Amino acid sequence: DSGVTQTPKHLITATGQRVTLRCSPRSGDLSVYWYQQSLDQGLQFLIQYYNGEERAKGNILERFSAQQFPDLHSELNLSSLELGDSALYFCASSVVGGTSGYNEQFFGPGTRLTVL
Amino acid sequence: QKEVEQDPGPLSVPEGAIVSLNCTYSNSAFQYFMWYRQYSRKGPELLMYTYSSGNKEDGRFTAQVDKSSKYISLFIRDSQPSDSATYLCAMRGYGGATNKLIFGTGTLLAVQP
Repeated sequence: DSGVTQTPKHLITATGQRVTLRCSPRSGDLSVYWYQQSLDQGLQFLIQYYNGEERAKGNILERFSAQQFPDLHSELNLSSLELGDSALYFCASSVVGGTSGYNEQFFGPGTRLTVL
Repeated sequence: QKEVEQDPGPLSVPEGAIVSLNCTYSNSAFQYFMWYRQYSRKGPELLMYTYSSGNKEDGRFTAQVDKSSKYISLFIRDSQPSDSATYLCAMRGYGGATNKLIFGTGTLLAVQP
């Protein structure tokens, strides 16, 4: 158990709908990362937050948004869902956000999203 | 072209075999190289990380980085059925504002008893 929690474990929804995925980082970690894992693309970085502020953006669609709250938990909002959005969504956390030294990211168990 | 390339496998070996997993990359700014193991329906967990070029050993696992060739490897000695999983290489640069990781697509390994 990494200490990172994600809810829900599974989500089944229809095209055009909106969903919210939730992540609680490990105690003491200030940075949260969201990754999308699909069969053909592997693990793709979406977005990073550090202590409530956006730190970096990756290949995140405009239909997707995220935020990190004062208690450091994070939510990833996916809207106008398409079939191609079906994937595993992972949250990871680390103590800091960007450093010259090594900084391990701990991954949660993921949320499996199925769009029908 | 992807920044990180990894043979997706699947790779099937008998128990006790030596396994070699590899990744190539194109971004010379990468300085930290990691190997994650991911069991089915679980999140990735860190196996090893290496900074810059060189070798690192941890039990049955050895990580090698050759920055001149932009090539990294993970060797598993005396492989066990419990090693059956997807192995992901990941990389990042040095310093900067973000700690984001760039992953390979993963290699699925099956160790047959």
